[in-house]
Amino acid sequence: DAKTTQPNSMESNEEEPVHLPCNHSTISGTDYIHWYRQLPSQGPEYVIHGLTSNVNNRMASLAIAEDRKSSTLILHRATLRDAAVYYCILSRDNYGQNFVFGPGTRLSVLP
Amino acid sequence: AAGVIQSPRHLIKEKRETATLKCYPIPRHDTVYWYQQGPGQDPQFLISFYEKMQSDKGSIPDRFSAQQFSDYHSELNMSSLELGDSALYFCASSPLTSPSDTDTQYFGPGTRLTVL
Repeated sequence: DAKTTQPNSMESNEEEPVHLPCNHSTISGTDYIHWYRQLPSQGPEYVIHGLTSNVNNRMASLAIAEDRKSSTLILHRATLRDAAVYYCILSRDNYGQNFVFGPGTRLSVLP
Repeated sequence: AAGVIQSPRHLIKEKRETATLKCYPIPRHDTVYWYQQGPGQDPQFLISFYEKMQSDKGSIPDRFSAQQFSDYHSELNMSSLELGDSALYFCASSPLTSPSDTDTQYFGPGTRLTVL
């Protein structure tokens, strides 16, 4: 399985943008890039996913490098509720594909 | 919007006892996944079902079994419980999607199992 590498932790100030990087140099052509986040004692929450093009939704933006070997999750204005562990996960385009959760990035948001 | 429902939310068992965790997927979702998250660890995939058939298997102990029923709910049965089984157990569901897209998994709130 293709692996992802993320910083262990990052810090941001409230109301400022946050850029969370993820390296996936062994990504294959059919791998999708997913981002999930997990607040303490809660289930992982879907944030965004993409294949090749940059993606935007109400929660965040996903910027995917042209060679697809890295991606960046962008939170446009961090709030205290965004403090969580953020996971970058790769999956194939088939049914029942399980997710491999890596160490993820623990994001702290300072007031 | 309806979410994944898991029951019970908390469960306390003694060593060597059995436990059954239940998962009710989002309506019209036909794929269910089970994950285990130990204290201070990341979620680990256990097993998944698609249209009531097992579709993938991860690091699930032989003491555990699971199935998906005709109404798409799923149950994780755990026998001969050990102290190391204490963890959060998450269920996720995903909808039938077209072959040109990937499955997005929606997670439930989890069941916290404590084995004493």
